[in-house]
Amino acid sequence: QVQLVESGGGVVQPGRSLRLSCAASGFMFKTYSMHWVRQAPGKGLEWVAVISYDGNNKHYGDSVKGRFTISRDNSKKTLYLQVNSLRPEDTAVYFCAREERFGANYYFDYWGQGTLLTVSS
Amino acid sequence: DIQMTQSPSSLSASVGDRLTITCRASENIRGYLQWYQQKSGKTPKLLIYAASNLQSAVPSRFSGSGSGTTFTLTISGLQPEDFATYYCQQTYSVPYTFGQGTKLEIK
Repeated sequence: QVQLVESGGGVVQPGRSLRLSCAASGFMFKTYSMHWVRQAPGKGLEWVAVISYDGNNKHYGDSVKGRFTISRDNSKKTLYLQVNSLRPEDTAVYFCAREERFGANYYFDYWGQGTLLTVSS
Repeated sequence: DIQMTQSPSSLSASVGDRLTITCRASENIRGYLQWYQQKSGKTPKLLIYAASNLQSAVPSRFSGSGSGTTFTLTISGLQPEDFATYYCQQTYSVPYTFGQGTKLEIK
């Protein structure tokens, strides 16, 4: 069965960096685009970034552009999010999600359980 | 960026009720609209994709409709397990924005 397992969260000081990981199993990882979505405590969902199946195309949300970098290692079936220059407002649960396609429409059919990143001094 | 606005932001209902949540996009997104359900402390779950297509294993009491800028999620015959927060999301263009959520509570 499809599984996505995030890791790498923790408590980090403002201005520092961290790398989040999402280990995939149960499907052909190298053929799917993947996303990161985050949720601040008590708040709604915020789309963060997407990477194409081959890693050649990436897009970011406005609030993280220039600070976060999405990447993947298809040989390891793992998705990454490098988060730099962290701010308190980056505190959130970070979910990875698989993108499925229906014609020209995209949707997120599987999500991980999330990893909590807390930015605090 | 495309803004997604849900109404209402919160809603009280009873088991057995029929209710509708509306999602409006700031521009035409054709049919590129999804609905997700999230229970407290849990992972979001896909309910509806491409505005009106029911995801596998989702009960048929959930339905979606709409196109362009206005979309609705309808739940016919609320069950106790349906009390959760519901989000719409557009995937017409990046950034793939979500609505602010609609929290459904038991009356």
